Amino acid sequence: ETGVTQSPTHLIKTRGQQVTLRCSSQSGHNTVSWYQQALGQGPQFIFQYYREEENGRGNFPPRFSGLQFPNYSSELNVNALELDDSALYLCASSLVGQDTEAFFGQGTRLTVV
Amino acid sequence: DQQVKQNSPSLSVQEGRISILNCDYTNSMFDYFLWYKKYPAEGPTFLISISSIKDKNEDGRFTVFLNKSAKHLSLHIVPSQPGDSAVYFCAATNTGNQFYFGTGTSLTVIP
Repeated sequence: ETGVTQSPTHLIKTRGQQVTLRCSSQSGHNTVSWYQQALGQGPQFIFQYYREEENGRGNFPPRFSGLQFPNYSSELNVNALELDDSALYLCASSLVGQDTEAFFGQGTRLTVV
Repeated sequence: DQQVKQNSPSLSVQEGRISILNCDYTNSMFDYFLWYKKYPAEGPTFLISISSIKDKNEDGRFTVFLNKSAKHLSLHIVPSQPGDSAVYFCAATNTGNQFYFGTGTSLTVIP
């Protein structure tokens, strides 16, 4: 049982709008990462937060931003939504450092129309 | 640039037989490798991992083999069960904070 929960599970937005996705990390984990999984692809790293600071970022534009809160929960914000932002957004929690697996939530399916 | 590749989009295996899923990577700095399993409408579930200092790690029916010189790893499932039917993702990291995933292999175990 991973203990990582995401909300909402599904979301439909209009192009140009803004969206906020939420994640509650597994108990004891201090690091949260966000991934985008497009149809037929593997998850792509967006960014990671550790101690409420961004701790690495993938090849995503600045309109993708995030927050981590003191209780290690997290938000992913996407501004000026584009049709290509339609994807499954996955949150993963872990302990900082190497040789450690990440535990994923069930994801939020975002559709931009 | 796809640093982790799974060249077989799908695999079908008879129940009880061995399933072998393959993964190739290009970045020689990767030092930790993982396999995840994903069912529809669920997030990826961690299955097994291996450090680059090892060449084999076993956990029950699941074994991961790492060939660093070939930049190749494989997941063996023996014996395969219908409940193993899922999409399997290979992942790699060299920093611990960013995982690079392959595109996945859909495994179907036929009863």
